[in-house]
Amino acid sequence: AQSVAQPEDQVNVAEGNPLTVKCTYSVSGNPYLFWYVQYPNRGLQFLLKYITGDNLVKGSYGFEAEFNKSQTSFHLKKPSALVSDSALYFCAVRDEEGFQKLVFGTGTRLLVSP
Amino acid sequence: GEEVAQTPKHLVRGEGQKAKLYCAPIKGHSYVFWYQQVLKNEFKFLISFQNENVFDETGMPKERFSAKCLPNSPCSLEIQATKLEDSAVYFCASSRPEDRYGEDTQYFGPGTRLTVL
Repeated sequence: AQSVAQPEDQVNVAEGNPLTVKCTYSVSGNPYLFWYVQYPNRGLQFLLKYITGDNLVKGSYGFEAEFNKSQTSFHLKKPSALVSDSALYFCAVRDEEGFQKLVFGTGTRLLVSP
Repeated sequence: GEEVAQTPKHLVRGEGQKAKLYCAPIKGHSYVFWYQQVLKNEFKFLISFQNENVFDETGMPKERFSAKCLPNSPCSLEIQATKLEDSAVYFCASSRPEDRYGEDTQYFGPGTRLTVL
């Protein structure tokens, strides 16, 4: 069965520094990968997705993610972190059976300090 | 509308009571999904619909959970005889009809927080 892993419960970074939130995946076919962000007491907001094509995917709020097939990774990145980026980030992969449901990682809390 | 709407925001029920949650998908979206977010942020898929038809119900605890998406009405998720372990945030998401196989993005509502006492 397909799965994603987010190895870090929390990532701390200083404002202005680059950030990386890690995600690795396990699928038997082609991966359809997504990043979402959850602010406190809010729903999930879509950031970006990888379906096919360029390995570097650009998304909302200056975020991007790099798809690496050989390392089965889809790390989320941003060149310069903002305090307002502090939130919970989820990586997800689409179910391979054709039924569309998303399988989520356990989430990574990003804390950006001033 | 342009956003997925969910009501109510919060719902408190005594154990054994019924709970009913509502979701209005984005206008023009024909796929609706329900997910449950429990402690430690774990997301569990419950059920999905294609218009009013159940598309995938592999995540539903069928003995107490039921769901519907009827034409011209919000979708609903109902829990009969709630248990303490049903306490969670329930998210609804919708996606467009063009791609049956999931390339399209799911857009999430703000969630309903259910507390069972």
